[in-house]
Amino acid sequence: NAGVMQNPRHLVRRRGQEARLRCSPMKGHSHVYWYRQLPEEGLKFMVYLQKENIIDESGMPKERFSAEFPKEGPSILRIQQVVRGDSAAYFCASSPSDRVGTEAFFGQGTRLTVV
Amino acid sequence: AQSVTQLGSHVSVSEGALVLLRCNYSSSVPPYLFWYVQYPNQGLQLLLKYTSAATLVKGINGFEAEFKKSETSFHLTKPSAHMSDAAEYFCAVSDTGRGQNFVFGPGTRLSVLP
Repeated sequence: NAGVMQNPRHLVRRRGQEARLRCSPMKGHSHVYWYRQLPEEGLKFMVYLQKENIIDESGMPKERFSAEFPKEGPSILRIQQVVRGDSAAYFCASSPSDRVGTEAFFGQGTRLTVV
Repeated sequence: AQSVTQLGSHVSVSEGALVLLRCNYSSSVPPYLFWYVQYPNQGLQLLLKYTSAATLVKGINGFEAEFKKSETSFHLTKPSAHMSDAAEYFCAVSDTGRGQNFVFGPGTRLSVLP
């Protein structure tokens, strides 16, 4: 059973371009979470999705950021018109249940660099 | 809202010495607490979790943590450090919202000296 798969592992974008980050959850997991890690900081929650639904996007910036988890295919975190401050590691996690206390499994992250 | 603090952004210990990484949380309800480890350029791996069963929780790689409600603490310990333990350690609490909206502490970087 493969773990949470994220790609690409590293992504370089020029200011103003779009960044698309992909996350395939573990088999059988229908709950996906995105976190952002800035240098020397902990992870900050961004968004929680189930298949075809955004459940909680309270951690997402109001502009330029969007996320989806379609019925088929991976979850996508999309950042439009990237700026230098978007440079960070973005981690996806999945879990089989939304019951509090359930472990979340993390991918290896996508490191976005905006130049 | 729940929050997590980790005292000491960087801890250094000698190989074979006791490891103690501190975590304190704030929560108005019984929390679910987790310790994750992150090796360089890797994702997070679960070390152990507390879910209101035994207060002393044993995890992987010889780590354990004790939940102390009176101190709102969940410190991580290991009796004898190994070089391979050098990594970043994050304490996290489950948010009371839907799903696993973890609230992470800022992390503690553990260095193990030969």
